[in-house]
Amino acid sequence: EVVLTQSPGTLSLSPGERAILSCRASQSVTNSYLAWYQQRPGQAPRLLIHGSSYRAPGIPDRFSGGGSGTDFTLTISRLEPEDFAVYYCQQYGWSPCSFGQGTKLEIK
Amino acid sequence: QITLKESGPTLVKPTQTLTLTCSFSGFSFNTTGVGVGWIRQSPGKALEWLALIYWDDDKRYRPSLKNRVTITKDTSRNQVVFTMTNVDPVDTGTYYCVHRLHLYFFDSWGQGTQVTVSA
Repeated sequence: EVVLTQSPGTLSLSPGERAILSCRASQSVTNSYLAWYQQRPGQAPRLLIHGSSYRAPGIPDRFSGGGSGTDFTLTISRLEPEDFAVYYCQQYGWSPCSFGQGTKLEIK
Repeated sequence: QITLKESGPTLVKPTQTLTLTCSFSGFSFNTTGVGVGWIRQSPGKALEWLALIYWDDDKRYRPSLKNRVTITKDTSRNQVVFTMTNVDPVDTGTYYCVHRLHLYFFDSWGQGTQVTVSA
C-alpha cells in the first residue's frame, strides 16, 4: 500500500495568511491521481481537489493544488476563518487507495 | 444534489457481525460509472477505504479485509448494505458512505455513523 506522509502535522497561521500543506507518497502516484479533502470538526470530509490540481465544483479559487510524482502541495492563498480545519490527501493511482494522516490548520 | 445517509447500530460486541445501510438520493445505480463505497475513520488512524460497489454490481474490497466484508446494493431502493463479520475493538470508528463518479476519489460523503465495538 502506498503510504502518504503529510507535513506539517499542525500548522498555525492567521486569517489572511497563505498556507502551504505538503503530501509525500512512498512511491510515484500514477497519473497524479491525488486528491485533497477538508474536514471541519464534527463534519465529514469534503472533496477540494482531484487529479492533483482540479478543483471540485463549488470550491473557492483560493484553494489550489499542485505536484506530481511523489510530492504534492495544497495551497490556500488567503485564509478565511472557515478554512481552519484538518486536511487530508488521498492517492488513487494505486490500489488500494490510501489517505494521509492529515494536517491540522489552526488559528494562530 | 447528492445526499447519502448511513444507518446501523452504534454498539456491537466483539465477534459479532456489523451491518450498515447507506440510503442515498440524487443519483442512481442506473447511471454508468456510479459507485458507492465505505470509508472508516478510526481514532489515531488515517482514513481507510473499505469497499466499493459499482453500477454493474462489480465489487472491490480492501485486501486486508476481503475475508470479512461484503457490500451489496438494492438499485430499486437506492441503498447499499455493508457487512463486516467477526468485529474487534480495532474496528471502532466512524463509518462513511461515499459516492464515486470517476476513478477512486469521492465527491460526496454521508454524515457518518459512529460504531463502537465493545463487550
